[in-house]
Amino acid sequence: DAMVIQNPRYQVTQFGKPVTLSCSQTLNHNVMYWYQQKSSQAPKLLFHYYDKDFNNEADTPDNFQSRRPNTSFCFLDIRSPGLGDAAMYLCATRPSRGGANVLTFGAGSRLTVL
Amino acid sequence: SQQGEEDPQALSIQEGENATMNCSYKTSINNLQWYRQNSGRGLVHLILIRSNEREKHSGRLRVTLDTSKKSSSLLITASRAADTASYFCATAPPNSGYALNFGKGTSLLVTP
Repeated sequence: DAMVIQNPRYQVTQFGKPVTLSCSQTLNHNVMYWYQQKSSQAPKLLFHYYDKDFNNEADTPDNFQSRRPNTSFCFLDIRSPGLGDAAMYLCATRPSRGGANVLTFGAGSRLTVL
Repeated sequence: SQQGEEDPQALSIQEGENATMNCSYKTSINNLQWYRQNSGRGLVHLILIRSNEREKHSGRLRVTLDTSKKSSSLLITASRAADTASYFCATAPPNSGYALNFGKGTSLLVTP
């Protein structure tokens, strides 16, 4: 089945130790998103790509970076994780045309910072 | 930036009862969506209502939209224990490109 796959599902890191989370999709969608969701809060948009065109939200910390080497893959790099970065990180995709703006989400990567 | 605000924050009902959740938003919209999130999982799209629609149904779901009040409601009829999840509304403000912003969600608990 076409889907959005996130790895790892659970990541434990130490304070300040870089982390990379990955997202792959078989939907051939042009647009990919990274959201951060802290406990009992709304998903917060970090950035999104339209193809390789990168769009950073104004309040996304510099500590967060992203790469999209091709249509299928997108990575979230957290350069120096702090305790406040512990959260669920959600990847989502959508086609650029059709389907309104309905997003397909992965299962998420839960990050714990020790 | 956050666009939608759901209420109540938490709702507890028994199986068979109806559950109603509300969402308010701040700017004009092209459409409004509702998503569901099971604990520790990603979000799943439930239903989309366009700005020129007032009501939409999908199975046991009924969504209403009042653009004059900038509000929407999601009704789940004849709730089941499996409906236990968090429910989020989402909107795309004008000129937001492809960004989609979510509200804080309503946590629904359906007990047998």
